[in-house]
Amino acid sequence: RKEVEQDPGPFNVPEGATVAFNCTYSNSASQSFFWYRQDCRKEPKLLMSVYSSGNEDGRFTAQLNRASQYISLLIRDSKLSDSATYLCVGAAGGTSYGKLTFGQGTILTVHP
Amino acid sequence: NAGVTQTPKFQVLKTGQSMTLQCAQDMNHNSMYWYRQDPGMGLRLIYYSASEGTTDKGEVPNGYNVSRLNKREFSLRLESAAPSQTSVYFCASTLNGYEQYFGPGTRLTVT
Repeated sequence: RKEVEQDPGPFNVPEGATVAFNCTYSNSASQSFFWYRQDCRKEPKLLMSVYSSGNEDGRFTAQLNRASQYISLLIRDSKLSDSATYLCVGAAGGTSYGKLTFGQGTILTVHP
Repeated sequence: NAGVTQTPKFQVLKTGQSMTLQCAQDMNHNSMYWYRQDPGMGLRLIYYSASEGTTDKGEVPNGYNVSRLNKREFSLRLESAAPSQTSVYFCASTLNGYEQYFGPGTRLTVT
């Protein structure tokens, strides 16, 4: 079983829709979680960090449920420019500092 | 400020050939990483360097070697390329360990 698993999609949604992505992790030693965004044939870029209390950045909301080992990303009022692959990422602490484990990504296409 | 740069952008090798992928960052980051990305597999860590002078294996180190030449540069070498090493290779660096900045990638094909 992969350490970080995502539904690969693809998700096809109209502009203005709300879409949610889910991710589960199996390594209970993972301490921090992130969402990265990757545009087609480009490098990944950090979208946002994920905290247990939940955090919001404009139209994006991320949530972490440690009991269920589950991470989510909600995008409200989708824009065409949100079309990308969204990568769920876990990070262990301690001696594994800085070693990220990536999910395989969820593809989102927003259409007019 | 160029961020993270990688050379070359594209490369085609024959089985058994060797090559070195170059990576440099100008953000004064301590840690640097090499990943490969394959369809359906996500990004997988090959090697990393937590600080200048140290290197450690990641998830998929077999067939690769690395050199942390100085704080700025971290190279990845394929001694004897195999078709299974056909992939997109990304270099990344970080100051705090978690917000990693990636280079544009090298698309490698081994025939």
